[in-house]
Amino acid sequence: SYAVTQPPSVSEAPGQTATITCAAEIGGGNRVHWYQQKPGQAPVLVVFDGTLRPSGIPDRFSGSDSGNTATLTISRVEAGDEAVYYCQVWDRDTDTFVFGTGTEVTVL
Amino acid sequence: QVQLLQSGGEVKKPGASVTVSCKTSGYTFSNHDINWVRQAPGQGLEWMGWISIYNGHTNYAQNFRGRVTMTTDTSTSTVYMELRSLSSADTAIYYCAKEIRAVSGTGFDSWGQGTLVTVSS
Repeated sequence: SYAVTQPPSVSEAPGQTATITCAAEIGGGNRVHWYQQKPGQAPVLVVFDGTLRPSGIPDRFSGSDSGNTATLTISRVEAGDEAVYYCQVWDRDTDTFVFGTGTEVTVL
Repeated sequence: QVQLLQSGGEVKKPGASVTVSCKTSGYTFSNHDINWVRQAPGQGLEWMGWISIYNGHTNYAQNFRGRVTMTTDTSTSTVYMELRSLSSADTAIYYCAKEIRAVSGTGFDSWGQGTLVTVSS
């Protein structure tokens, strides 16, 4: 398996845009998903297959990828967005998943 | 609505085995793989493996091969995860999770509530 690296923390003021990166071997059919996890709760899927949002997830959450980096963007951040965010990479060659190291988002 | 209901917390001694169950409802059981993910106290998420409900095929993370077995009971729409040769490093919350689409490698849209497994002598 390989390492999937995220910044440990991101801080933004309410109403600003938070950007979280995920460095991994993206491309060649590999897929990236993003989860939000609040303390004491199970993770919640916020973006899957790189850019898609599950039903019920606000459009303030968006995903993109380019080369070896995937990005989760949270527009107009709110206090309720404070959480740890994990990216998850699916390796098509081995049909296995690896989670990123997690990024704690703080709304100032 | 989709529900994944896991069995209750367990306390085990080093060297023992544990089996966690995940009873599903609210969707067509055979259409979506089930994955297992664990999270040690204060740590990140660790993917353990998946099982295809359709044909029973499994794929385990390298760290767990030889020590984990995932099985299904289609009559009760339940998935089981057995982990053997436990050590204190296996103390964690264990989650089952359903894939959002009926294709390989997609995200996990529904999660169980988690099962705390504590390994202590």
